[in-house]
Amino acid sequence: EVRLLESGGGLVQPGGSLRLSCAASGFTFSSYVVSWVRQTPGNGLEWVSAISGSGDSTYYADSVKGRFTISRDNSKNTLYLQMNRLRAEDTAVYYCAKSRRIASDYWGQGTLVTVSS
Amino acid sequence: DIQLTQSPSFLSASVGDRVTITCRASQGISSYLAWYQQKPGKAPKLLIYAASTLQSGVPSRFSGSGSETEFTLTISSLQPEDFATYYCQQLYTYPLTFGGGTKVEIK
Repeated sequence: EVRLLESGGGLVQPGGSLRLSCAASGFTFSSYVVSWVRQTPGNGLEWVSAISGSGDSTYYADSVKGRFTISRDNSKNTLYLQMNRLRAEDTAVYYCAKSRRIASDYWGQGTLVTVSS
Repeated sequence: DIQLTQSPSFLSASVGDRVTITCRASQGISSYLAWYQQKPGKAPKLLIYAASTLQSGVPSRFSGSGSETEFTLTISSLQPEDFATYYCQQLYTYPLTFGGGTKVEIK
């Protein structure tokens, strides 16, 4: 059974940093692109970032480029999102998702990040 | 970036109704489009990929069609468990993008 479990969310002040983790199981982690997608309270979905199976290729939304860094540790089946210089508008539930070329077929339950003073 | 415009943004319907949601892309994306269903407090669930392929385990009352810039998600006979918000997503090129969502509520 495919499982994705996010952790690391919480309350952080504007300008601060936070690192999210996503522990994966039930599939060959290193064979798949994995993504981060966020959802602000009461709003729609926003794709944030993705990383190739090997970790060699990374992709970012313009809204987070230069502030967020995606990475993975295939030996630990874990995906990360390092978030720096956080802003109020980064407040959201962050989901990790196992992705194929044509869809994200499994999603975690999400972790809430709140950026506020 | 490729923009996806979903319509309508809100839809009120009754059980048994046929429902159609449209997703328009700002440029051609071949068939690299997926549809998701999301219920309050839950993660999105994949319904359709490659524009028209039903994900395993998804009821056959859901169907998708279209290519390039115009896509539709159809629910042939709305069931109580289908009241939710639906999103389209293009996976043609990075940055990946989602439509704004369509909330389906009970009339």
